[in-house]
Amino acid sequence: SQQGEEDPQALSIQEGENATMNCSYKTSINNLQWYRQNSGRGLVHLILIRSNEREKHSGRLRVTLDTSKKSSSLLITASRAADTASYFCATGDRGSTLGRLYFGRGTQLTVWP
Amino acid sequence: DAGITQSPRHKVTETGTPVTLRCHQTENHRYMYWYRQDPGHGLRLIHYSYGVKDTDKGEVSDGYSVSRSKTEDFLLTLESATSSQTSVYFCAIRRQGIENTEAFFGQGTRLTVV
Repeated sequence: SQQGEEDPQALSIQEGENATMNCSYKTSINNLQWYRQNSGRGLVHLILIRSNEREKHSGRLRVTLDTSKKSSSLLITASRAADTASYFCATGDRGSTLGRLYFGRGTQLTVWP
Repeated sequence: DAGITQSPRHKVTETGTPVTLRCHQTENHRYMYWYRQDPGHGLRLIHYSYGVKDTDKGEVSDGYSVSRSKTEDFLLTLESATSSQTSVYFCAIRRQGIENTEAFFGQGTRLTVV
């Protein structure tokens, strides 16, 4: 399986603190994506980082990618209670047109007011 | 929700009965996926489609079949439902691109097999 694996499985922090989640994957990729899932809802795309990028920002989100270690991290700065959700990384097959997309088990983030 | 609809949203069925879940999109995207989500397992790919009548197995395809006779519909069938198939099922769609593009998800179908 090319499934990404997020770490930690659960993270609990106070509002205003930063939250860092990590993702490891197994094979070559052309990009890596992060998604968010609020309880009971479908996943929503957050950010995509290409294999030739090392860092990317979007608002309070910062994503890094280290292809040599096959790992990525998602940093949420100045967390808010509304950031409470599960976060998943997703990878696909490099060079394939079949379009498979694999997700990890996710990190459950809880932000306390 | 990005032109993707799952039906039904909730279903309770008995062991041994056939069940079909439907995913409908209005985006004309090439790729469609069925995932199941269970506590501790994240999202696991069941089957996916890369075009009309073009489908393939994912990580956990045993006990499931799919069909895609037109671009907008992707059906997931449990031929004979078992309790282990109690789960939340998500459909996703994705347009074709030079590289992997973002996926859009339906709201999920909660299936209970009793």
